[in-house]
Amino acid sequence: AQSVTQLDSQVPVFEEAPVELRCNYSSSVSVYLFWYVQYPNQGLQLLLKYLSGSTLVKGINGFEAEFNKSQTSFHLRKPSVHISDTAEYFCAVSDAAGGGADGLTFGKGTHLIIQP
Amino acid sequence: ETGVTQTPRHLVMGMTNKKSLKCEQHLGHNAMYWYKQSAKKPLELMFVYNFKEQTENNSVPSRFSPECPNSSHLFLHLHTLQPEDSALYLCASSANTGNAYGYTFGSGTRLTVV
Repeated sequence: AQSVTQLDSQVPVFEEAPVELRCNYSSSVSVYLFWYVQYPNQGLQLLLKYLSGSTLVKGINGFEAEFNKSQTSFHLRKPSVHISDTAEYFCAVSDAAGGGADGLTFGKGTHLIIQP
Repeated sequence: ETGVTQTPRHLVMGMTNKKSLKCEQHLGHNAMYWYKQSAKKPLELMFVYNFKEQTENNSVPSRFSPECPNSSHLFLHLHTLQPEDSALYLCASSANTGNAYGYTFGSGTRLTVV
């Protein structure tokens, strides 16, 4: 079984400043890792995913994340945030070898608040 | 619009009512999912359907009953719910239940049980 920890429930950042949202996972097997974003009154939208290969993954809206196997982390970063980035961000993990029947395991989410 | 449509967007029901949530996708995906999203808690996987067959129910109470008549439609039938069942119910689909595929989520149904 996997688990995901998003230590920060809320991250306030000034507009145009860089941001990092932290995600740590626990698993005894190889994993796939995902970041999703949820805007108010909407469902979740896939930002990016790590399956294999390069540990630096680029996603939509200028976000990127780096997979660090030794630290079991998959932190999300953006060099310069915009007001429109205000949303809830979810990290998720799944078993890379599994058939997928157990779906994705999500963290509790981090609320990114952009201050003007 | 993501390609996954959920209706209704909002639902208020009494504990003795029976209602159904509907999810529809025309993305050609074969797998569909129900998730429950409660405040301050991680998303909880409720049901997984792959090619219309249920593959996971994750110990969900029997007052929640899923139905998947075809690969494009998924229902969640509700009866005798409890106030703690109030939450955002999200439907998602993917090309396959293989974990490498990203999920496409609907906008959710906000359920309030009174």
